This record gives sequence, C-alpha cells and structure tokens, in this order.
Amino acid sequence: DAMVIQNPRYQVTQFGKPVTLSCSQTLNHNVMYWYQQKSSQAPKLLFHYYDKDFNNEADTPDNFQSRRPNTSFCFLDIRSPGLGDAAMYLCATSRAGTTRGETQYFGPGTRLLVL
Amino acid sequence: AQSVTQPDIHITVSEGASLELRCNYSYGATPYLFWYVQSPGQGLQLLLKYFSGDTLVQGIKGFEAEFKRSQSSFNLRKPSVHWSDAAEYFCAVARGGGADGLTFGKGTHLIIQP
Repeated sequence: DAMVIQNPRYQVTQFGKPVTLSCSQTLNHNVMYWYQQKSSQAPKLLFHYYDKDFNNEADTPDNFQSRRPNTSFCFLDIRSPGLGDAAMYLCATSRAGTTRGETQYFGPGTRLLVL
Repeated sequence: AQSVTQPDIHITVSEGASLELRCNYSYGATPYLFWYVQSPGQGLQLLLKYFSGDTLVQGIKGFEAEFKRSQSSFNLRKPSVHWSDAAEYFCAVARGGGADGLTFGKGTHLIIQP
C-alpha cells in the first residue's frame, strides 16, 4: 500500500544533542510537510517542500531545519533540542498542495522526548 | 488570516447515540475544509473533505459533514457511534492565499460511554 512512513516512532534525545527524524513516502507526491504537535494541541506547520523548493514558516525557530534529498525522503533536523521541543512530529504529503484543495496524507508520527 | 474554532474540547456520547462535532472557520473565500481523526499516539487519518459542489460530504467510517457558508461552519456528524470512534477529531482549513498547508482547530476529544 502507498503510504507515509516515519522513523523512528519514538526518539529519546538529550538536551542540546542534535537529532534527525525521518520521513519517506511511496505516494510519489510533490509536497512534503512537517508539523509539530505538542501535547493536547493542534498540529502546527513548521515547513514544507514543494519538490526541491523549501518553504519555512515565519515563526519556525532556527533550531529546526529540513532536508529533502529526493522525492521520497524528507528529514527534520533539530540542531539543539530543548525541553520545549518535546512533541509529536508529523510528516505529511500532498500530490499538488492544499492550495489546490489536495488532501494531505499523514504518517504515524515520531514522538520526541528530550531529557 | 484563516482560523478554525472547535468550541467543544471534550464530548461524551453513549454508544449507539448520534454525534455532532462543531467546527467554525474564518476565511475570506470559499474554503477547502477537512476533518481528520487521531487515535492515541497515532497520526492523522482523513475522514472527509469539502472542496466544492455538494455541501453535504460523505466520508469514511459512516461520517458526514455539512458545509454551511452562511454560518461559516463545517460540522461533523455520525448517526450512531461505536466504541472504536473514541479519538481526537480535528477540523482544518487549507490556508489559501498562495500559502500551502493546513490550519487546524484545537481538536475535540470524543469519549464513548458504554
């Protein structure tokens, strides 16, 4: 089945230690998104890629970066995680973007714990 | 800027009873609206979406939603809930104005009583 895969499902890191979260998709979609969802809150868009074009949200901290080496993979890098970065990180894809009414398909998420 | 309001943080419904989850949006043009469901520790699953056309939208798992422009609402309904429907439900609107991505409401936590 075509799907969005996130690895790992759970990630524990230490305060200030860089961490990378991974997302892959078999849908061959053009757009890949990263959302941050803190406990009992709504998902919040961090950034997205349309093909190779990177689109950062204005309020996304500089501590968060992303890479998309090819169509299938997208990575979220947190350079120096703080306690406030503990959250569920959701990857999503869309064929042509929500501006055209396209659906976003979400992965199962990676829960990040910062010690 | 667009926004989504889900006025009910928690809703408790008896199994077999009907359900309505409220969603109000703020958006200047015709919105693209979505309902997602999230089970504990899981990602988001699309229930249904409104793009255009018929204002009553059918989704998966027996859910439906009605787009009412005059009330800026997109309420989710189900005639008879099952215990497996217990989850968090998010209403979302496509951001529009050339900006990709979704703006989500804060969610409604659905509890099913036996």
